[in-house]
Amino acid sequence: QVRLQESGPGLVKPSQTLTLTCTVSGDSMTRDDTYWSWIRQHPEKGLEWIGYIHHSGRVSYSPSLKSRLFISVDTSTKQFSLRLTSMTGADAAVYFCARAGSDRQFDFWGQGSLVAVTS
Amino acid sequence: QSVLTQPPSASGTPGQNITISCSGSNSNIGPNYAYWYQQLPGTAPKLLIYRNNQRPSGVPDRFSGSKSGNTASLTISGLQAEDEADYYCSSYVGSPVFGGGTKLTVL
Repeated sequence: QVRLQESGPGLVKPSQTLTLTCTVSGDSMTRDDTYWSWIRQHPEKGLEWIGYIHHSGRVSYSPSLKSRLFISVDTSTKQFSLRLTSMTGADAAVYFCARAGSDRQFDFWGQGSLVAVTS
Repeated sequence: QSVLTQPPSASGTPGQNITISCSGSNSNIGPNYAYWYQQLPGTAPKLLIYRNNQRPSGVPDRFSGSKSGNTASLTISGLQAEDEADYYCSSYVGSPVFGGGTKLTVL
């Protein structure tokens, strides 16, 4: 069974950088038809796609976050990570990692990591 | 403002059939697949429908999807109490886009 698990700080200060890591188990990260994704959900709001990375290192980012975002992958440790700089209150959300298939459908999700932004 | 438009809420009684719509445009849903996700309270979203009308293994056949033009629809037949959840549609336009979600209440 494919499992994804987010890890990282639950609290970030304004202007700081958020780093989250997703650990994958039960699947190979090097399949060509799979993309490793980050999605967030603001409190009581809908889903917002952040970006994804292919095992080759190819990335695609949301235009609204692109200037502050970096996603990386380490297939040897079966992890991929998100780094979001210059955090503000508008970035407070639950951050999910997810596997995207060839059609970019998100077929497996982590449980989510709640991130608050406060001084 | 979400790219895809869903009704914010829907409701039905057990046993009823209910349809949730997702309106897009000829730049997103029109030429692309639609997907549906179910998010039970306090949990991560779960893929319910992919490629407009395909169900992943384990999804009951009470859930069905369709697409016509720029609008996708999710139908739940024989509504059950455990179907009370938020439902999100999605499509892909160079990057994934989501609807704003529909909160389904089972009365």
